[in-house]
Amino acid sequence: EPEVTQTPSHQVTQMGQEVILRCVPISNHLYFYWYRQILGQKVEFLVSFYNNEISEKSEIFDDQFSVERPDGSNFTLKIRSTKLEDSAMYFCASRLTGGYPETQYFGPGTRLLVL
Amino acid sequence: QKEVEQNSGPLSVPEGAIASLNCTYSDRGSQSFFWYRQYSGKSPELIMFIYSNGDKEDGRFTAQLNKASQYVSLLIRDSQPSDSATYLCAVIEEYGNKLVFGAGTILRVKS
Repeated sequence: EPEVTQTPSHQVTQMGQEVILRCVPISNHLYFYWYRQILGQKVEFLVSFYNNEISEKSEIFDDQFSVERPDGSNFTLKIRSTKLEDSAMYFCASRLTGGYPETQYFGPGTRLLVL
Repeated sequence: QKEVEQNSGPLSVPEGAIASLNCTYSDRGSQSFFWYRQYSGKSPELIMFIYSNGDKEDGRFTAQLNKASQYVSLLIRDSQPSDSATYLCAVIEEYGNKLVFGAGTILRVKS
């Protein structure tokens, strides 16, 4: 069964460093998302991406964050200058179409730790 | 942003019993409702989705939706220890395409 994959599974970085989190969505899906979950808290939406552009972003997704689909398979989240509060699990998700069903399938996540 | 509320639990049920998980949402125009299961340290895994008022059954799971009361629930029949996890309710709001999650209910099934 097709699945969303993410790399790396764990990332440790120093505050102020740039990190790139990578995702390979399900191959025929058209909508892509990043969510994050700080330890013990809710899963929070960051950004959605369709047709090579951002379709919606949250207040969390400030200028330090960017997303890119550099080729036909990868979808990346870049954090330019990490802060301690960026430590969280980051989940990529993808969805087939814009209509029903709207089911989003999640990747296994990247655990980011900022020291 | 509109809210999705869940009782954090933990909800403890004996093996074989029915577990009942509840969720309320504030955006009256919401159209799509999802239940995800999340094991500790893992990603959300889709259990069911429901769009229409009433019940939807899938194996041991039944989702119930009442749009007038802005309430959605998940029943798990014949609960197993492997069902022990956090259950996340998620909603897609009117005119939106992102999932808005509740904080989740911890379910513990005791053998």
